[in-house]
Amino acid sequence: AQSVTQLGSHVSVSEGALVLLRCNYSSSVPPYLFWYVQYPNQGLQLLLKYTTGATLVKGINGFEAEFKKSETSFHLTKPSAHMSDAAEYFCAVSFSGGYNKLIFGAGTRLAVHP
Amino acid sequence: DGGITQSPKYLFRKEGQNVTLSCEQNLNHDAMYWYRQDPGQGLRLIYYSQIVNDFQKGDIAEGYSVSREKKESFPLTVTSAQKNPTAFYLCASSIDPWGGNTEAFFGQGTRLTVV
Repeated sequence: AQSVTQLGSHVSVSEGALVLLRCNYSSSVPPYLFWYVQYPNQGLQLLLKYTTGATLVKGINGFEAEFKKSETSFHLTKPSAHMSDAAEYFCAVSFSGGYNKLIFGAGTRLAVHP
Repeated sequence: DGGITQSPKYLFRKEGQNVTLSCEQNLNHDAMYWYRQDPGQGLRLIYYSQIVNDFQKGDIAEGYSVSREKKESFPLTVTSAQKNPTAFYLCASSIDPWGGNTEAFFGQGTRLTVV
């Protein structure tokens, strides 16, 4: 069965430090991978997605993620954290064939300290 | 502006009541979805619809019902059979109900509380 695991429900970094949010997936077929961000009491906004092609994907707000098939991972990074990056981040996976269903990880709450 | 509108933002339900959450989109998307969000559990799919007049159960459909009479609208009813309805509900849509490689667009959510 397909699943998504986000390591660390809470991550805390200092402003200006590297942000690394981890996502691993389980799948027997090639996945499509997404990262979404959610601010308090808001909906989800797409940060970036991997479908095919280049495995390093750049998204909005300076975030990027790299699809590593051998490690079944899609970790999200940002070189320098900003206070405005404090939010909850969700990794999600979907697959070709069937309906367009997203399977979400449990989320990682990112705190950024001055 | 194109987008997804959910209403109300906050909703309170008494025990034994049915309540309906509204979701409207003007993105001309074929597919629409309802998710439930609980702390520490991510998002779980309640119902989805790939086309007007058709919808399918997701992973946690018990105690919920939906309709899709118009392309733009996908209301969710939380019935009295749902024993733990307090949660944040998110509606989403995507342009392509198949293929898996198109992103979903989300509304701002409705927070439902049982009182």
